Amino acid sequence: GAGVSQSPSNKVTEKGKDVELRCDPISGHTALYWYRQSLGQGLEFLIYFQGNSAPDKSGLPSDRFSAERTGGSVSTLTIQRTQQEDSAVYLCASSPRLAGAHEQYFGPGTRLTVT
Amino acid sequence: SQQGEEDPQALSIQEGENATMNCSYKTSINNLQWYRQNSGRGLVHLILIRSNEREKHSGRLRVTLDTSKKSSSLLITASRAADTASYFCATTQGGSEKLVFGKGMKLTVNP
Repeated sequence: GAGVSQSPSNKVTEKGKDVELRCDPISGHTALYWYRQSLGQGLEFLIYFQGNSAPDKSGLPSDRFSAERTGGSVSTLTIQRTQQEDSAVYLCASSPRLAGAHEQYFGPGTRLTVT
Repeated sequence: SQQGEEDPQALSIQEGENATMNCSYKTSINNLQWYRQNSGRGLVHLILIRSNEREKHSGRLRVTLDTSKKSSSLLITASRAADTASYFCATTQGGSEKLVFGKGMKLTVNP
């Protein structure tokens, strides 16, 4: 079936604007993750969803970042009042979370540039 | 925060040669995984080794895990130009589901 999809693939925004990034996980995958990748910080975990609940939000860098997941499927990561340091590639991953299955399937990412 | 540290950070080899990448980590883990990334975008899962396993094979890949040294190695045999990519080790720890990634290693395979 189809893999994880993310939109938009690229987003350029002005400092101070809000942005929404979307992730469509693989159908049937109950676990969904957001990570971001930047030159200075490498690959960082942001938030994990199991179903529509987020038991681990420990990676969200500030209260400007929020995420939600609806219907156990699509997730949206929202960044309010964007700053230049938010520029990064935002990666979404999903996992079936079956017993013994821990690998994550990644989308192509959204490259966010804050000018 | 970064958990793993890949070594070397960059490796350039000729097609047909073997490539070995090492990863060290700091805390107890549930499992260790290796991912490949092309062109700075999506990651592809390569192989997973659990904390109670010592070695695992998948095609041209061989991964070892030494929990006493908190280290792992990934061997790619008979490398191909298409193996050119960045490689990351990642761990899961305790009851957490998140992956904690190393800084990555860039492999270049010259035809």
